[in-house]
Amino acid sequence: NAGVMQNPRHLVRRRGQEARLRCSPMKGHSHVYWYRQLPEEGLKFMVYLQKENIIDESGMPKERFSAEFPKEGPSILRIQQVVRGDSAAYFCASSTPGLASNHEQFFGPGTRLTVL
Amino acid sequence: KEVEQDPGPFNVPEGATVAFNCTYSNSASQSFFWYRQDCRKEPKLLMSVYSSGNEDGRFTAQLNRASQYISLLIRDSKLSDSATYLCVVKNNNNDMRFGAGTRLTVKP
Repeated sequence: NAGVMQNPRHLVRRRGQEARLRCSPMKGHSHVYWYRQLPEEGLKFMVYLQKENIIDESGMPKERFSAEFPKEGPSILRIQQVVRGDSAAYFCASSTPGLASNHEQFFGPGTRLTVL
Repeated sequence: KEVEQDPGPFNVPEGATVAFNCTYSNSASQSFFWYRQDCRKEPKLLMSVYSSGNEDGRFTAQLNRASQYISLLIRDSKLSDSATYLCVVKNNNNDMRFGAGTRLTVKP
């Protein structure tokens, strides 16, 4: 059973370009979460999605950032017109359906975005 | 901050006992966890934290809901315990909030 997969693992963009980060949840998981980790800081929640639905996007910056989790295919975190401050590790996690409060979130290996 | 931890670093010799503390601000929080994150790796679940306290080998976690306080105790530290330990709180809408982490280095 493959774990959470993220690609690319490393992404380099110049200021003003777009970054697309992909996350495939574990088999059987329909909940996806995106987190950002700045160097030497903790993980910051960005967005929580289920298939075709954004459940909580309270952690997403209001501009340039968007996320989706289509019916088919991976979840995508999209950053438009990247700036140097977007350089960070972006982690995706997935969990099983339902609201059982002790459902563990399994993390992918992360995508390290560097903005030049 | 929703979840606060002492950032450390904690530098301890092998065999030492070390304790980490964490406080959270949302009294409606439902579930509590400790995750471990190695350098440049993804976080991995270490253990859930229950109101009655729970133990897993050398690791003991405790929760005090009245004080909104969580702790992790590591006994007989090993070199392999060196990592950053993340206190995590799950709210009733199913998303999790992470503390900034406490860095532990266990030295020979």
